[in-house]
Amino acid sequence: DQQVKQNSPSLSVQEGRISILNCDYTNSMFDYFLWYKKYPAEGPTFLISISSIKDKNEDGRFTVFLNKSAKHLSLHIVPSQPGDSAVYFCAASARRDTGRRALTFGSGTRLQVQP
Amino acid sequence: NAGVTQTPKFRVLKTGQSMTLLCAQDMNHEYMYWYRQDPGMGLRLIHYSVGEGTTAKGEVPDGYNVSRLKKQNFLLGLESAAPSQTSVYFCASSARTRYGYTFGSGTRLTVV
Repeated sequence: DQQVKQNSPSLSVQEGRISILNCDYTNSMFDYFLWYKKYPAEGPTFLISISSIKDKNEDGRFTVFLNKSAKHLSLHIVPSQPGDSAVYFCAASARRDTGRRALTFGSGTRLQVQP
Repeated sequence: NAGVTQTPKFRVLKTGQSMTLLCAQDMNHEYMYWYRQDPGMGLRLIHYSVGEGTTAKGEVPDGYNVSRLKKQNFLLGLESAAPSQTSVYFCASSARTRYGYTFGSGTRLTVV
C-alpha cells in the first residue's frame, strides 16, 4: 500500500509556462515533505522541502504548497525551462516519535518541458 | 568532494550468483540507506542504518543483507540473485532524515 502517491506518471508543458506536480499521502504521521529531482543515469537530488507547520515554501522558481486537511502537496515551477525536464519524486518523513527513520517516496512524475 | 560513491555502476549476474554492492560517503553522515528503483514503483527502501554497527529492515528487505562495519561504508549483499532483483539500486546518506539525503549515482543490476 503506497503511502505517498504521485498519480500522474508524466507531464508535458511548454517552456515559460507553469508546471504543477501533485502528490498525495495517506499516513497522518508524516510531518515533513521533500521534493527530489532526478536526471537519467544520476541519483536524485534534493530540490525543496516543507514542514507541516507551514502551507507554502518558496525557493526561486520552485514553490511547494501543502494542504494538510487534504493530505496533498504540490510543486509549482514558474517559469518552466527545458532544463527542468526530469523525474520528480515526492517524499515524506514521519514524526520522530514513530521510530521511522527513513523517507517514503512516491513513484515519480516525469516532466518534459517543450522548447 | 565525492559525496556518495557507489560501486559498481553496472553488473550482470546469473540467477543464483552472489554479489556485494558498496556504498561509501565522505560527509561523516550518521544515516545511510539502500533503495531500489523500479518502473512505476518509485524508490523503495531495502535496508537502512542509523549508525555504525546498526542496521534495520525497510519495506522490501527479503533477499538482501547489509552491513555497516565502518561509518563511511554501507554494503548491500545479494546471497542468491533472482531475476526479480533486476533493478537500479541507490545508496543515500544523511545527517538526519529531515535534512534530506545525498544520493549516489546508482548501480544498474540485471539478473538473467
